[in-house]
Order: sequence, then structure tokens, then C-alpha cells
Amino acid sequence: GESVGLHLPTLSVQEGDNSIINCAYSNSASDYFIWYKQESGKGPQFIIDIRSNMDKRQGQRVTVLLNKTVKHLSLQIAATQPGDSAVYFCAENGGATNKLIFGTGTLLAVQP
Amino acid sequence: EAGVTQSPTHLIKTRGQQATLRCSPISGHTSVYWYQQALGLGLQFLLWYDEGEERNRGNFPPRFSGRQFPNYSSELNVNALELEDSALYLCASSLTRAAGSGYTFGSGTRLTVV
Repeated sequence: GESVGLHLPTLSVQEGDNSIINCAYSNSASDYFIWYKQESGKGPQFIIDIRSNMDKRQGQRVTVLLNKTVKHLSLQIAATQPGDSAVYFCAENGGATNKLIFGTGTLLAVQP
Repeated sequence: EAGVTQSPTHLIKTRGQQATLRCSPISGHTSVYWYQQALGLGLQFLLWYDEGEERNRGNFPPRFSGRQFPNYSSELNVNALELEDSALYLCASSLTRAAGSGYTFGSGTRLTVV
């Protein structure tokens, strides 16, 4: 079936370091990908998205990389801060299905 | 601008009962999506409503149902509750039908079935 999986369920980094969260997807029809951040007790918040006609997109302190050849997505966070501690989800749209398919999430723990 | 609001924040029900969860989208948003987030799992797509109609449904049994009202608010109903229905139920809204684009999530309803 369709699935979006994450390589690392937990990632612990030191404050100020760069973080890289990885994600694999399985649906070749997916043409839109999103990263969400979910803090405890809150709903997921949009971080950054990328369409399949791009391989890189940058935001403020975040960069998303897309490798369609190996169906891999990554989120890079520069100069990680304690406020970045949260669960990060990647999601794909599975083509024109009008729904998002989410991975199980990666817990990012930032050590001061 | 008010975000997506969900009520109640917590709900405790007994197995076999029915649960009703409510969602108010951002003003002007016509699409409402429901997701289930069980402990340790990602978000599983439940339902999508747009302009009052059910547009898409995830792989859930028929006892999960819902509706969207003329003001675009939405209800999720879960009948004959089972223990494994315990989860965080998230609602999201968007302006367009494009998956993911402009999704805004609420904080969810934590449903506990005992």
C-alpha cells in the first residue's frame, strides 16, 4: 500500500548544530511534498513544501531536498534551536488524490 | 484571524458509545479534512469535505462518518466505539481543493475509549 516512512524515529542534536531529517516515499505519482512540525498538544504546522519539478527549496533556516530517483525527501534545519524541538512529519499528496499521506514522524530533540 | 477550532479538546467515551467531534474552519475556507493520529503513528486520512459534499474517504469503516454544514463547519461521528479508536483527531481546512496547499490544522480532539 501507500506509505511514507522515516529513516530515524528520534534525532538528538546540540543547539546550534544543523539537523537533517530524512523521509522515504513510495508513491511515484506524488508530485507535492510537505514538511510539518508538531509540538506537544498542538496540531501540525506547515514548515515548507516542494513540488516535483524542483529538487531544492529554501525557507528561513530550513531547506527541503527532493530526490525523485530514489524517492527521498529531507528537511535541513540550520542552527537548530531549542524551539525546534518537536515531531516532524513529511507528507505526500499521492498524485491527484486530494489527501495527504503522512509518515510516522521523527522526534527532534535539541540539547542546550 | 481565528484559526481552525476543534471541540471538545478531550472526550472520554465507553466502548460501544457514539462520539461527535466538531470543527470550525478558518473563515472563508471551504474544504475541511479529518485525520486520525493514533499514538506512535502518523496521521491517517479519514474524510474530506468541500462545499458541503464528501469528496474523498480514507480506509476506515462506515462507522466513521461526518458532514459539513452550510457555514462550512464540520462534524465527525464515530459510532460503536472500539478501544482502538482512541486517538487524536485532527481537523484541517483550506481555501482550495489542492491537497496540502494552504492546509491549516486545529489542535485536535483527544478521544479516549474505555
